[in-house]
Amino acid sequence: NAGVMQNPRHLVRRRGQEARLRCSPMKGHSHVYWYRQLPEEGLKFMVYLQKENIIDESGMPKERFSAEFPKEGPSILRIQQVVRGDSAAYFCASSHRTGEHEKLFFGSGTQLSVL
Amino acid sequence: RKEVEQDPGPFNVPEGATVAFNCTYSNSASQSFFWYRQDCRKEPKLLMSVYSSGNEDGRFTAQLNRASQYISLLIRDSKLSDSATYLCVVNALDRIIFGSGTRLSIRP
Repeated sequence: NAGVMQNPRHLVRRRGQEARLRCSPMKGHSHVYWYRQLPEEGLKFMVYLQKENIIDESGMPKERFSAEFPKEGPSILRIQQVVRGDSAAYFCASSHRTGEHEKLFFGSGTQLSVL
Repeated sequence: RKEVEQDPGPFNVPEGATVAFNCTYSNSASQSFFWYRQDCRKEPKLLMSVYSSGNEDGRFTAQLNRASQYISLLIRDSKLSDSATYLCVVNALDRIIFGSGTRLSIRP
């Protein structure tokens, strides 16, 4: 039973390029969360999605960032025109259901480096 | 005030010592609580859930105090391998909030 799969593990982009981060949730999970973590800092919530729906995107920057979780395939976090400040670890987590006692299971993360 | 607050540490304790962390939360409607562990440059991993009655898992004990709105984690007989950042997580139905973490370093 595979866990949460994220790829790529490391992604290097030049300023102005696009970055696409992929996350396949754990089997049977239909809820996906994206978090960003800067060095020496805590996890910052970005977005919460269910299949084909964005439930909460209050943590997403207003520009350049978008996320989707299509009916088929992985969830995608897309960053357009990357800047150096986007360099961070991006973690995806999935869960089985919302509500009480919901537990998140994390992928290994994508380390984005912007040159 | 942050929704979930933790002492960032670092806590630097000798092997074999007992160490405890607290975490406070502001939303009284919070339903469930967890402790996660994060090693350097790795993903967070669930350590244990926290129940009102308190719960224990080996050397780890978690407590919840709803009246004062805090949870705690106690580690007994600490091992070198316990060195990590411990994240407090609060689930308030539609939102899951992570604390910034408490860094623990166990020295030989």
